[in-house]
Amino acid sequence: GENVEQHPSTLSVQEGDSAVIKCTYSDSASNYFPWYKQELGKRPQLIIDIRSNVGEKKDQRIAVTLNKTAKHFSLHITETQPEDSAVYFCAASPRPGGSYIPTFGRGTSLIVHP
Amino acid sequence: GAVVSQHPSRVICKSGTSVKIECRSLDFQATTMFWYRQFPKQSLMLMATSNEGSKATYEQGVEKDKFLINHASLTLSTLTVTSAHPEDSSFYICSARGGGQAGQNQPQHFGDGTRLSIL
Repeated sequence: GENVEQHPSTLSVQEGDSAVIKCTYSDSASNYFPWYKQELGKRPQLIIDIRSNVGEKKDQRIAVTLNKTAKHFSLHITETQPEDSAVYFCAASPRPGGSYIPTFGRGTSLIVHP
Repeated sequence: GAVVSQHPSRVICKSGTSVKIECRSLDFQATTMFWYRQFPKQSLMLMATSNEGSKATYEQGVEKDKFLINHASLTLSTLTVTSAHPEDSSFYICSARGGGQAGQNQPQHFGDGTRLSIL
């Protein structure tokens, strides 16, 4: 099945620095890549997504890049703030078999120090 | 838009009790709903996928007689943990996705989750 690897598992940065989280996927048929932010004890919330017909997408301080050839995509957060501290999950969809079910990465715990 | 409501947020009950968790899409029609289980500091583990009016599709290793899922309408899905035991204690999260053919690769919208504690 689809395998989504996410790195790093923990990322600690100073406020104002940039943070980059990387994910790789195994199935070349995957064409939709959402990123979710989950604060402690709360629901995962979609923060940005990208489709395979686009190489980059940006929304204010958040950007996502996609390299279809290498099968990897990355989340970039610039000018980090303490409220960016959370667990971030990447996902790739669909998974093999034809079902439009995303496969999630294991998550990255981002800590932004004031 | 795209709000998903999940209730209850927390349940504490005795071993052997059955617990029902509701997941509602408030402002859109959810053709597909997902149920996840999340252990502390771990990723989302998909338990099952349900399409409105159809039987749920369970992931390998998930007991369908233990975790009963009903998706009777386009806005409501329920997960019933039958005869719950301490090992069933976990954080359960639902998500919903709208759209038809064109919506199959649309984002999921998550509920707030249910913290289940079995004593």
